[in-house]
Order: sequence, then structure tokens, then C-alpha cells
Amino acid sequence: GDSVTQTEGLVTLTEGLPVMLNCTYQTIYSNPFLFWYVQHLNESPRLLLKSFTDNKRTEHQGFHATLHKSSSSFHLQKSSAQLSDSALYYCALSTSSGQKLVFGQGTILKVYL
Amino acid sequence: GGIITQTPKFLIGQEGQKLTLKCQQNFNHDTMYWYRQDSGKGLRLIYYSITENDLQKGDLSEGYDASREKKSSFSLTVTSAQKNEMAVFLCASTPGQGYEQYFGPGTRLTVL
Repeated sequence: GDSVTQTEGLVTLTEGLPVMLNCTYQTIYSNPFLFWYVQHLNESPRLLLKSFTDNKRTEHQGFHATLHKSSSSFHLQKSSAQLSDSALYYCALSTSSGQKLVFGQGTILKVYL
Repeated sequence: GGIITQTPKFLIGQEGQKLTLKCQQNFNHDTMYWYRQDSGKGLRLIYYSITENDLQKGDLSEGYDASREKKSSFSLTVTSAQKNEMAVFLCASTPGQGYEQYFGPGTRLTVL
């Protein structure tokens, strides 16, 4: 079945350093939709960005990601972390087979001064 | 714009009790979802519904029932509450495949 892997459970870094959260996926479908959701403390998840176009960079709120179908990856990046970026980040996959989202385990990002 | 509301915000029940969680959306979205969020375990799908009166089981449906009697509402019933299922239950909706899911504020379940 479809699956999403986020290898880091926790990422800690100092403000101002670059952020990279890993996301890889498995699916037999050739046209998946990939999403990044962010969940701040005591809030609900909300969409950060999404893509279904191979090798096209998508950006929102300073974050960016590029879907690479060749490597089944959709890593989330930001050039300079801010304290307010501290949150739980989910990578998710949707395919043409249905309307379910398959979520990764999530990565907690903690940014320190 | 629209909003998803979940009631109650906090639900406390006894072990073995039947408990119902409610979700309403005014987006006019077709598809609605129930997820369970345990600390450190991500989001797990319990049930979803692609239209009124439709129900589809997710990975975690055992021990739960769901009901979609109206397009705007989706209820989840914990058939016999257990202490190991204390978690936050999140409702979500989407207009269709490939679109984002919008999440409600959640119901935190505590089982005594």
C-alpha cells in the first residue's frame, strides 16, 4: 500500500540556520499529490504547501519543497529558521485511487535562540 | 470561507462507556474524515465519508462507529472506551481528491 516516511522524529536547531525535513513516499500511482502540513502547539494541522508537478519548486511562507518523482521525495526546506517555525510537520500523500491522505509519522521542529 | 466545529472540546468518560463525538462543517465539502492523534504517533485515519450516508473504514476503525446523516455533519462513536485510547480526535473535510484537508479544533478524550 501507499506509505510516507519521515526519517526524523525531532529536529533541533538554532535560529537562523537552514531547515530541511525529509519526506519520501511509496506508491504505485504515477501522479501522486504531496502535501506538507504544519501543526503548532494546541492548534490543528493546516496546509503549508502542496505539489503534484514533478521537479517544480513550490513555496509558501518562506518554506519550499520540490516533488522529485525519480527519488520519490518531497523534502521541506527553509533558508533560515525562526523561533516561530517550531511546530510539528507532517508530510502526506494522496493518490488518484481515492480520497485518503496517507500521513507520515511527523517531525517535530524545535528552533532555539 | 468556512469553519469546522467539533463538540465537545473535552470529553471525559468511563472505561467501557459508549461516547459520541460530533463534527460540523459549513464549507459544503463532500468528503469528511475522522483521525486520531496520539502523542508521537502521527495522524491515523479512523473513518471517512465521501458523501452523505457513505462510510469508509480507515486503518483504525475497530472499536469505532461513524455516521454521516447529513452532508455537513459527521459523527464518531467510541463503542467501548478504553484507557489506551486517550487521544485527540480530529475531524477534517475536503472538496475532493488533490485538494487540501481542513481540520477542526479537535476533541480531547480522557478515559477514567
